[in-house]
Amino acid sequence: DAEITQSPRHKITETGRQVTLACHQTWNHNNMFWYRQDLGHGLRLIHYSYGVQDTNKGEVSDGYSVSRSNTEDLPLTLESAASSQTSVYFCASSEGSGSFTGELFFGEGSRLTVL
Amino acid sequence: DQQVKQNSPSLSVQEGRISILNCDYTNSMFDYFLWYKKYPAEGPTFLISISSIKDKNEDGRFTVFLNKSAKHLSLHIVPSPPGDSAVYFCAASAPGGTSYGKLTFGQGTILTVHP
Repeated sequence: DAEITQSPRHKITETGRQVTLACHQTWNHNNMFWYRQDLGHGLRLIHYSYGVQDTNKGEVSDGYSVSRSNTEDLPLTLESAASSQTSVYFCASSEGSGSFTGELFFGEGSRLTVL
Repeated sequence: DQQVKQNSPSLSVQEGRISILNCDYTNSMFDYFLWYKKYPAEGPTFLISISSIKDKNEDGRFTVFLNKSAKHLSLHIVPSPPGDSAVYFCAASAPGGTSYGKLTFGQGTILTVHP
């Protein structure tokens, strides 16, 4: 079955360290997204990609970067982790052709703690 | 600026009764609305959606109502078993262009269904 997987599921790091969260999907979806979930804010969009070599900033992109070298993967990098980036991170994907139905397929999340 | 708002952080209902979750939005460009359900330690899963050309959509126990003039939508769950206890997110998208494929989420409402 097609799926979307995130790793690691849990990560503890220190302020200033570089961290990369992996996201891999086997649906062959063109669109991929990274969201963070925080109490009181719901899910907020960090970065997204519509295809290979395409990346775009979301509403909370400061301190994060992504790269899209193939269809399946969209790793999220925190260049210098800050305590404000302690959160649960969700990767999602969706079909890129035809009319957009709105349905995103989410991974199980990566819980990041920055000490 | 929260464009999609779920003003009730939590809702408690008795098993077998109706659950009504509410959502308000401010961006008049939104034309597609979705509800997602999220269990602890899992990613959100798509529940039901509605296009702005409709005012009601049903899928089994779930019905979503849209009032465009009030910029308000609601999700009705009838009946509600304890297994429906989860966080429910309202989300919205705007047509094409730079908004293509991007969802804006509300803060979420924790639904607790008591036996």
